[in-house]
This record gives sequence, C-alpha cells and structure tokens, in this order.
Amino acid sequence: LAKTTQPISMDSYEGQEVNITCSHNNIATNDYITWYQQFPSQGPRFIIQGYKTKVTNEVASLFIPADRKSSTLSLPRVSLSDTAVYYCLVRYNTDKLIFGTGTRLQVFP
Amino acid sequence: KAGVTQTPRYLIKTRGQQVTLSCSPISGHRSVSWYQQTPGQGLQFLFEYFSETQRNKGNFPGRFSGRQFSNSRSEMNVSTLELGDSALYLCASSPRLVEGYEQYFGPGTRLTVT
Repeated sequence: LAKTTQPISMDSYEGQEVNITCSHNNIATNDYITWYQQFPSQGPRFIIQGYKTKVTNEVASLFIPADRKSSTLSLPRVSLSDTAVYYCLVRYNTDKLIFGTGTRLQVFP
Repeated sequence: KAGVTQTPRYLIKTRGQQVTLSCSPISGHRSVSWYQQTPGQGLQFLFEYFSETQRNKGNFPGRFSGRQFSNSRSEMNVSTLELGDSALYLCASSPRLVEGYEQYFGPGTRLTVT
C-alpha cells in the first residue's frame, strides 16, 4: 500500500534552517519527488523537484538518499512568510500520484 | 500569462444532486490534473489528463468523472453527491505530463454538500 508520511508540524525561528522529511515506500527509480507549499485559501505552489541525490534552487534544496525511501526538503534561513503547510508529492509505479500528509511549519520571530 | 482558473469558486449542493466543475489551464499547458482536499484525508489525486486522454485515475468511486477538451480545458463531474464529497477541489496544469514538470494550481472550487 502506497503511503507517504510527513511530520504533522514543525516550529522554527526566523533565520534558522528547516528540514522537512517525507517517507515514501516503493517509488520507482525514475519517479520524481516534488514539494509544494500551501497557504490558507490558496492552491499549492511548486517549490522544488528531483529524483536523485541533491537538487538546489533559489529557495530550497532537496536531498534524496540512494534508497529513495525518503526525501528531505531544506529551507535555509526561514522567515515569517514561510509559515505554511508543506507537501511532498510522489508517483507510485508510474501511476498513482500520492501527496504526503503535509507538514505545518510555524515560523516565530 | 494568466494562471489556472477554476469556476465556480464556491458551490453549495444537496445530497443526491450532481455537480460539474471547470478548469482552464495556463495557455499552452496540455496536462490537467484534479485533486480533492479535505481536512481528514488531505490532498488526494483524482485524475490526470493529457491531450484529451485520461492518463491516470486515483482511488475514487465511479461517481467521479472528468474530461478534457481539445483546448485543454477540463471539467470534472460528481454525480449523486454525498456529504463526504464536501471538499476543496483543486485543478493543476502542466506543460506536459506531471512527471518531471512543475504543476501550477488554481485557487480551487469549494464544494459544500448539505
């Protein structure tokens, strides 16, 4: 049974680095792992995507270990505006798209 | 470039009725996916369409159906509404199939079933 789990919530302070992990069993070798950010009353917004090792863009990094059973979204130096819910999205067996359970990040001043 | 638009934004229906939701993707995007979001179940995948063909379908009953038109616009239909169908329905578009491409989400349609 495809299951994609994340911590329910995380707290951080402005300026700190935040790492959010997504556990996903049995995803295929070439399937992408994508992370989204969602604010209340809005649709999710793309953050970063990758399928192996490490990917970095201007807002985040994505770390994927060799066994691909998990992935970690890293947000450097978070600010108050990063307070949101973060979701990972994976595709199992090139068929079902499964969102993670979501992690509510609260950033404090 | 205009974003993904969904209509209507809010909808109230009665149990047993049917509903049709519409999604207009970003110009040039050929892939449209639909998701249901509820507090209890989170974000769940409904369908994925590309070039008018349904490519994948999530684990939802046959009451949930969809289609994509030649201009890439998409509709989803829910028949015989149940209270549990109350949710935010999100549409997302992508230049190609979801794999490897960023999805752009619309604001959603909030469906309330009474």
